[in-house]
Formats: sequence, structure tokens, C-alpha cells
Amino acid sequence: ETGVTQSPTHLIKTRGQQVTLRCSSQSGHNTVSWYQQALGQGPQFIFQYYREEENGRGNFPPRFSGLQFPNYSSELNVNALELDDSALYLCASSRDHPEQFFGPGTRLTVL
Amino acid sequence: QKEVEQDPGPLSVPEGAIVSLNCTYSNSAFQYFMWYRQYSRKGPELLMYTYSSGNKEDGRFTAQVDKSSKYISLFIRDSQPSDSATYLCAMSRTGANSKLTFGKGITLSVRP
Repeated sequence: ETGVTQSPTHLIKTRGQQVTLRCSSQSGHNTVSWYQQALGQGPQFIFQYYREEENGRGNFPPRFSGLQFPNYSSELNVNALELDDSALYLCASSRDHPEQFFGPGTRLTVL
Repeated sequence: QKEVEQDPGPLSVPEGAIVSLNCTYSNSAFQYFMWYRQYSRKGPELLMYTYSSGNKEDGRFTAQVDKSSKYISLFIRDSQPSDSATYLCAMSRTGANSKLTFGKGITLSVRP
């Protein structure tokens, strides 16, 4: 059974740029949730995708957007990057169950 | 007030000690309670999952939920240096596909 994978592992961007992060869900899982984890904090819910539709959103501005594909993989896009967007971005997958399984994360640094 | 509060750290204990990690919450709608372990620069790993009030044991780990007090705990018996990590409590309201609300996390160090 393949776990959740994310790419890239880390990247560096400058303010105002755009970034796309990718996630492959665990085999058999149909739901992907994205979280932002700032240094020293717990993860904060960004949004969730279920069967290619957004299924809930946290307190993040519209410049955070996402997609889910028919194979249940997902993308997180962030436009107009700000310094405060620097964080670990985590993807979690699940299937009709409260337990969510996380990937290793993408560490984004905005300069 | 944050929805989920977690005891501040860091916490340092000698090997073999019993560790108690705690979280309180304010939202009575939370029904599902989870503990995650996160090693440095890694994603959170699910340790324990509990529904509603009660205890659940898995090896050296025991999770307790007291919904009347809005208080959850994770106990680690016979702690090992490999248990050194950040521990995060997380909760959700409904069942399937519900967002998780996390505590801030507490960093545990187990000294050999």
C-alpha cells in the first residue's frame, strides 16, 4: 500500500510569485485535505476535496485554490505569495472515515 | 480562545518514565479525537484515534477522552528515546471527511 506522497519536498519563491504543490493520496482514498503548518504551530485547515469538488474551506483567502483529479491526486495553488505564506504545507488523505493520513509535506520559503 | 488548547512545552523526561500529554477544547461538537506524532521536518503520523468518551490502549500508548470536561490525554508508558518528537492532538466534529482542528503541539524529549 502506497502512502501519501507530496512534491516538491521544498522550494523557495519570492513575494508576488505563484506556486503549485502536488499530492498523491494513499491508495483507495477519495478525499484530500490540505493544511498549513507554520513553525511551532499545529496544522491549520486550508480546504478539502472530495470526488473532485471542494468540500469545506478554512479561513484562507481566495488566492489559495486547489484541484482534485479523477485519480484523487490533488494540487494546491497559491497566487501572489506573501512572506507569511512561508510554512510546511501538508496534504492528508482519507476515505469515508475521520482518520486522515499525512504526507511528508512541502516546505515553502517566501523571500 | 482557541478551539483546542494543548499544554505548553517543551517536556523532558528520563527514559522509562510515564508521560502524560493533555489537550482541552471548547467546542462540544467535537466527536472524534486523534493523536499524531511528528518528527522534525516530517509529516504528522497518526498514533491513536478515539470516538467520543472513553479509553483506548495500543501497546505503550493509552488515549483518554472525557467529553464532560472537554479534556483528552495521551499516556506513554516506559518512554523511549525514540518517542522524542512533537505530539499533536486533533479533533473533528462529524465523521467521514471532516476537517481536523489541531492543538499547537508539545515537544517531548526522552533522555537516555
